[in-house]
Amino acid sequence: SAVISQKPSRDICQRGTSLTIQCQVDSQVTMMFWYRQQPGQSLTLIATANQGSEATYESGFVIDKFPISRPNLTFSTLTVSNMSPEDSSIYLCSVGGGGDAEYFGPGTRLTVT
Amino acid sequence: GQQLNQSPQSMFIQEGEDVSMNCTSSSIFNTWLWYKQDPGEGPVLLIALYKAGELTSNGRLTAQFGITRKDSFLNISASIPSDVGIYFCAGQLAREGNKLVFGAGTILRVKS
Repeated sequence: SAVISQKPSRDICQRGTSLTIQCQVDSQVTMMFWYRQQPGQSLTLIATANQGSEATYESGFVIDKFPISRPNLTFSTLTVSNMSPEDSSIYLCSVGGGGDAEYFGPGTRLTVT
Repeated sequence: GQQLNQSPQSMFIQEGEDVSMNCTSSSIFNTWLWYKQDPGEGPVLLIALYKAGELTSNGRLTAQFGITRKDSFLNISASIPSDVGIYFCAGQLAREGNKLVFGAGTILRVKS
């Protein structure tokens, strides 16, 4: 399986600011996804990051709040904009899918104060 | 949205005991996946199931894809302290572009 890294691993941010999270894969992959895991909860899909086109967002998530870039087949970013304490979560990227297993990065633990 | 009902919510067992957890849904899934998540880490894939009725082992872990495609179970035999963590089932729905849907998780604690 691919090796996935995320930066930063954790951050503490002030409300009203934005944070960009990076996801790097060591091989080219077709599908990349972003998930949110709120404290003590399961994982929820935010969006599918599409290479060369706009991301596909799930119900309850919008581009203005979570803009995503996918400039090539090994890299994607997720920005959490205008943060509030409710955005405190672990954000995870994954690769695979499309009928195959998904593999997850180590996650970015975000705390908003 | 689609829901996976995962049970039990938590387990506190003696080292050496066998563990069983399962997931059910009213929807039909093409793929069932089982993950383990340790504190501060991302979920790690344990077992992937692709065919109804499939029974797959990975060391002390065994998982099965239910024949109706609406359920799956994971068994852990002879538990050890490092089995502690949160176990998630997840399923891919073909009619929703194979989007991955997660269960709520089973917290496993092991007494040594």
